[in-house]
Amino acid sequence: EAGVAQSPRYKIIEKRQSVAFWCNPISGHATLYWYQQILGQGPKLLIQFQNNGVVDDSQLPKDRFSAERLKGVDSTLKIQPAKLEDSAVYLCASSLPSGNTIYFGEGSWLTVV
Amino acid sequence: GQQVMQIPQYQHVQEGEDFTTYCNSSTTLSNIQWYKQRPGGHPVFLIQLVKSGEVKKQKRLTFQFGEAKKNSSLHITATQTTDVGTYFCAGLGYSTLTFGKGTMLLVSP
Repeated sequence: EAGVAQSPRYKIIEKRQSVAFWCNPISGHATLYWYQQILGQGPKLLIQFQNNGVVDDSQLPKDRFSAERLKGVDSTLKIQPAKLEDSAVYLCASSLPSGNTIYFGEGSWLTVV
Repeated sequence: GQQVMQIPQYQHVQEGEDFTTYCNSSTTLSNIQWYKQRPGGHPVFLIQLVKSGEVKKQKRLTFQFGEAKKNSSLHITATQTTDVGTYFCAGLGYSTLTFGKGTMLLVSP
């Protein structure tokens, strides 16, 4: 079966610019996650969707980050304006009911200069 | 909020030596999951433990879940160079899966 698809794989932007990442989860997976992984650290949950509703966005910096999951399938994560400390890999993941095995995409590597 | 801590942060072993990483949660967990991330790759699910005191084995890997469901360990017997990577535990609290910072394993031939 196809895995979690993400794009773009790599992005370099200047600070204060905006960027958007796209994710297509595994077919049939109702739960979708966006994680931020800074080099040398574990993935940090930014937002979790169940279908098109938000389950947890407590660690999402809402002044600059936004995410949506229209129609409960694909999702986009936007950063505007970007800061240097946003340089990280943005991992999208999906799963069946929350708490089951999480399948990660390859990640979108962001460098803010 | 829920915190998950892992030790050690880093370990370098000779091929054939054993390796253990430990995971501790600040709160009781519903389950704990282990993931492996190769350099430049993404985390890949290894196993999930649910029951208090549970022990599971996958070939040379042994996973344990503590009696109080707040700690866990991963032990690799006779490491191989293919074991190189970062091993993360992730604890499920009420509804959120929280990852530890991981233990990076280097194996020298």
